Amino acid sequence: AQTVTQSQPEMSVQEAETVTLSCTYDTSESDYYLFWYKQPPSRQMILVIRQEAYKQQNATENRFSVNFQKAAKSFSLKISDSQLGDAAMYFCAYKTSQGGSEKLVFGKGTKLTVNP
Amino acid sequence: DADVTQTPRNRITKTGKRIMLECSQTKGHDRMYWYRQDPGLGLQLIYYSFDVKDINKGEISDGYSVSRQAQAKFSLSLESAIPNQTALYFCATSDAGSLLPQHFGDGTRLSIL
Repeated sequence: AQTVTQSQPEMSVQEAETVTLSCTYDTSESDYYLFWYKQPPSRQMILVIRQEAYKQQNATENRFSVNFQKAAKSFSLKISDSQLGDAAMYFCAYKTSQGGSEKLVFGKGTKLTVNP
Repeated sequence: DADVTQTPRNRITKTGKRIMLECSQTKGHDRMYWYRQDPGLGLQLIYYSFDVKDINKGEISDGYSVSRQAQAKFSLSLESAIPNQTALYFCATSDAGSLLPQHFGDGTRLSIL
């Protein structure tokens, strides 16, 4: 069974600085998908970024980028130029590429605080 | 208006009661999902539906049932609520070409005493 581990329960960053959130996973599959979700205090889950395992190029979405290390099974999220609105819980998630499964495996989350 | 609307936003009820959580969407998406979130954890999939006639169990469907009344409506029922079903419940939607839920509602916080 796949597992996702976020080893940092809490992180903090100064506004305008850069922060990296860690995520490691365990799987025997060679093809899969990885995601980062953001959950602000408003509760709504927001998809931040996604990565297909077959792609070597790291995904980027504006100030958000990932460092995907397939051999190491690592998928970290970098937030550049941090803003107060980035304060939230961040969840790393894994999805199999096998058809017929809609299961997302989540890590336990990292609470990010942005200090002004 | 929100793309995905869940009602109620909060609910407190007693053990043994029947509860229905409702979800409606204006995205025109075929796929709808119900998730549960426990404190300090990510989401767990309860049920999902790829169209009105297609309902599938997720990883934690025991104790829950669903109804897809229309493309835009997907309700979750707890037939006889128990305290360990206390959680935050999310409805989500996606289009047919998506790998995963794209749009989430604001969640229903359910407390069962």
